[in-house]
Amino acid sequence: GAGVSQSPRYKVAKRGQDVALRCDPISGHVSLFWYQQALGQGPEFLTYFQNEAQLDKSGLPSDRFFAERPEGSVSTLKIQRTQQEDSAVYLCASSLGGRRLDYEQYFGPGTRLTVT
Amino acid sequence: DQQVKQNSPSLSVQEGRISILNCDYTNSMFDYFLWYKKYPAEGPTFLISISSIKDKNEDGRFTVFLNKSAKHLSLHIVPSQPGDSAVYFCAASVVEDDKIIFGKGTRLHILP
Repeated sequence: GAGVSQSPRYKVAKRGQDVALRCDPISGHVSLFWYQQALGQGPEFLTYFQNEAQLDKSGLPSDRFFAERPEGSVSTLKIQRTQQEDSAVYLCASSLGGRRLDYEQYFGPGTRLTVT
Repeated sequence: DQQVKQNSPSLSVQEGRISILNCDYTNSMFDYFLWYKKYPAEGPTFLISISSIKDKNEDGRFTVFLNKSAKHLSLHIVPSQPGDSAVYFCAASVVEDDKIIFGKGTRLHILP
């Protein structure tokens, strides 16, 4: 069945480059989440969308990070002027319902970003 | 400051025996707890959850125990199977919130 997909799966960027990471959530899922997972760490929350509305962006580490979900389905996480500390796996998750956590989050396989 | 702590980076258990994974938390506002399982090159998969109004939740071979006074939860897997070899993340949240706070994970090895 169609789960959450992310592209690209791997991205190598030179320091200072801009990158765009794509997430295709499960069809019909209202909520979409972005997480950053550094090596040896657990996923850390970045931002949350309910349909096209970005309801929480408190986890975005700097103003170089920007996320959008203009039509309430596909989402893009953009990182401008990448730095070495941005190297991580970026995970996208979607869930069927609204804000409450009793709706299970389904994760994509992640995009591994390496900044050289 | 880590709000969700998994102090064992790895654990090895004989196939057929019980696996016990532990997790501690510091935020007394947490009222919903989850365990996720992760295989290499895949995203985490939800395993089991528990609300703070309960002290035990069971789903097949998986049982989660919650001790609120100790701010401690554990995941029991009985019997352990080779396919259980993975990284297990403990996670917590306030149920009305949208953030899940994850621990660093424990890598479980099931030995033949």
